[in-house]
Amino acid sequence: AQKITQTQPGMFVQEKEAVTLDCTYDTSDQSYGLFWYKQPSSGEMIFLIYQGSYDEQNATEGRYSLNFQKARKSANLVISASQLGDSAMYFCAMTTGSARQLTFGSGTQLTVLP
Amino acid sequence: SQTIHQWPATLVQPVGSPLSLECTVEGTSNPNLYWYRQAAGRGLQLLFYSVGIGQISSEVPQNLSASRPQDRQFILSSKKLLLSDSGFYLCAWSPSVVQPGGEKLFFGSGTQLSVL
Repeated sequence: AQKITQTQPGMFVQEKEAVTLDCTYDTSDQSYGLFWYKQPSSGEMIFLIYQGSYDEQNATEGRYSLNFQKARKSANLVISASQLGDSAMYFCAMTTGSARQLTFGSGTQLTVLP
Repeated sequence: SQTIHQWPATLVQPVGSPLSLECTVEGTSNPNLYWYRQAAGRGLQLLFYSVGIGQISSEVPQNLSASRPQDRQFILSSKKLLLSDSGFYLCAWSPSVVQPGGEKLFFGSGTQLSVL
């Protein structure tokens, strides 16, 4: 069975600073995918970044990067130069197969302070 | 480009009343479609998914049902709502052919359902 753990219910960061959101996962499968989604107060879930288990380099998408440490089973999201619009709930998720097998963590509420 | 529309945005219904939430996708063909429910402050729970017209798989036995009458239309229904059906419902789609970069889900804007 897959499990995603996000241990930070809430995080605060000063505008323009970097912030790391933690995510650890548990699976016995060798092939899997890790995702981060952002959910602003409007409710829509927005895809941010993806990391495949066989990808050797950490994924990056603009100000988002995924710090993938396979041996430690962690997939932390790093947001550089935080903006006020980054305030939202962030979910880590993984799948060992299709998207219908996607398992979500409980989320981290990020608040960016001016 | 592909877009997903979900409505209504909010809904307040009495216990025992019927439910119909609709989701449509534009700009793609034969998408995989999903209904998720999110309880307050929690992650997402997959309710139904569909890989084609008339093909519905249920992940959690419950008071709800789903239908896919057209390729890009996905409907979540209930004949009689329960208090426990309250929550935030999200429709999502993914391409039927997995793209490079993993099988991403693209979500609608959600429906906040309150059953009173």
